[in-house]
Amino acid sequence: AQKVTQAQTEISVVEKEDVTLDCVYETRDTTYYLFWYKQPPSGELVFLIRRNSFDEQNEISGRYSWNFQKSTSSFNFTITASQVVDSAVYFCALSGIKAAGNKLTFGGGTRVLVKP
Amino acid sequence: DAGVIQSPRHEVTEMGQEVTLRCKPISGHDYLFWYRQTMMRGLELLIYFNNNVPIDDSGMPEDRFSAKMPNASFSTLKIQPSEPRDSAVYFCASSADRTWGYGYTFGSGTRLTVV
Repeated sequence: AQKVTQAQTEISVVEKEDVTLDCVYETRDTTYYLFWYKQPPSGELVFLIRRNSFDEQNEISGRYSWNFQKSTSSFNFTITASQVVDSAVYFCALSGIKAAGNKLTFGGGTRVLVKP
Repeated sequence: DAGVIQSPRHEVTEMGQEVTLRCKPISGHDYLFWYRQTMMRGLELLIYFNNNVPIDDSGMPEDRFSAKMPNASFSTLKIQPSEPRDSAVYFCASSADRTWGYGYTFGSGTRLTVV
């Protein structure tokens, strides 16, 4: 069975601070995908990134960066110089790799509140 | 592309009534998923379809829930009879193998309140 754990339920920061969201996963698959989604107050789920299990290179996209460590089954997400618009719930998710029919297993989410 | 379209956005109904949630996937996507989001259980998969055929309905909570996909552009999730514990946000999502690198595309969700 697959499992995704986001131990932090809520993080509050002041604007311009960095914030790191932890994600730990469990799977018996040797290959898999990891995702991060953002859910702003408006409620929709927005895709942020997908990583392959066989590619451990860290990735940076603007103020967002992701640190994938297969040895510790972690896929952490950092927002640098946070802004009020980053306030949202962030979900880490895991799926099989074969096809689009693989189910996404979501973590419980981390609510990020960025105060001005 | 209009994205995944769900209707209604909000639904308030009385316990015992039938509720039907609707979803139009992205054209060309051959997978469709129904998820439910609650505070207690988070995001959980209810059922998914491939080429209009239900593949896995193990997440459907009980017989009161049913889902159909009569064609590639439309799916429904029905609850009959509804109960207060069914109150949640229901998301529809679609995907295709060629776009799997971008995960699912989710609709805006239907917020269901059963009173």
